[in-house]
Amino acid sequence: AAGVIQSPRHLIKEKRETATLKCYPIPRHDTVYWYQQGPGQDPQFLISFYEKMQSDKGSIPDRFSAQQFSDYHSELNMSSLELGDSALYFCASSRDRVNSPLHFGNGTRLTVT
Amino acid sequence: GESVGLHLPTLSVQEGDNSIINCAYSNSASDYFIWYKQESGKGPQFIIDIRSNMDKRQGQRVTVLLNKTVKHLSLQIAATQPGDSAVYFCAERRLAGGTYKYIFGTGTRLKVLA
Repeated sequence: AAGVIQSPRHLIKEKRETATLKCYPIPRHDTVYWYQQGPGQDPQFLISFYEKMQSDKGSIPDRFSAQQFSDYHSELNMSSLELGDSALYFCASSRDRVNSPLHFGNGTRLTVT
Repeated sequence: GESVGLHLPTLSVQEGDNSIINCAYSNSASDYFIWYKQESGKGPQFIIDIRSNMDKRQGQRVTVLLNKTVKHLSLQIAATQPGDSAVYFCAERRLAGGTYKYIFGTGTRLKVLA
């Protein structure tokens, strides 16, 4: 079965650079969630989209932005990167209004040096 | 604030024994609960879920119990195997502002001893 695809798997950036993370949800899933996970931490919700519109916002810094495109893939744009942004970034998709779980990708490991 | 949390950060279990991982949640409006397993370097993997109108659900070697009276969720793994070693998260879903929110609790690391 198709899963959530994230790219790249690993990304190394320097402070103050920008990064773009991509997420391709499972086909027919209309909702995308982005999470940030630090070492030994639980996933922290950043932002979500339903039918290409932002549906909710969590602890996402103003330096970050995201969008969902017409083909339902989503991109997380991160600017003015800081050392503290180093983390695993997960994308998850689901079908809204259905009792179905979030399905996660394998994440992008971002390292800011 | 409202949160989902776990009582034990690390659980060590002898191979072949049963494991029980617990989770407390604080929002009675949550209508759906999910257990995830996360292995190193991978994304959380769905294990089992349960709706709030149920109190028990069984899968293959796993059982989830929901006690709404005390807002408690547990994951039972039968005959724990080395491959079960991972971090386990519970998550609750609730409707907020017209959209669903999924709140994750602090993970429990399960270590299976040979």
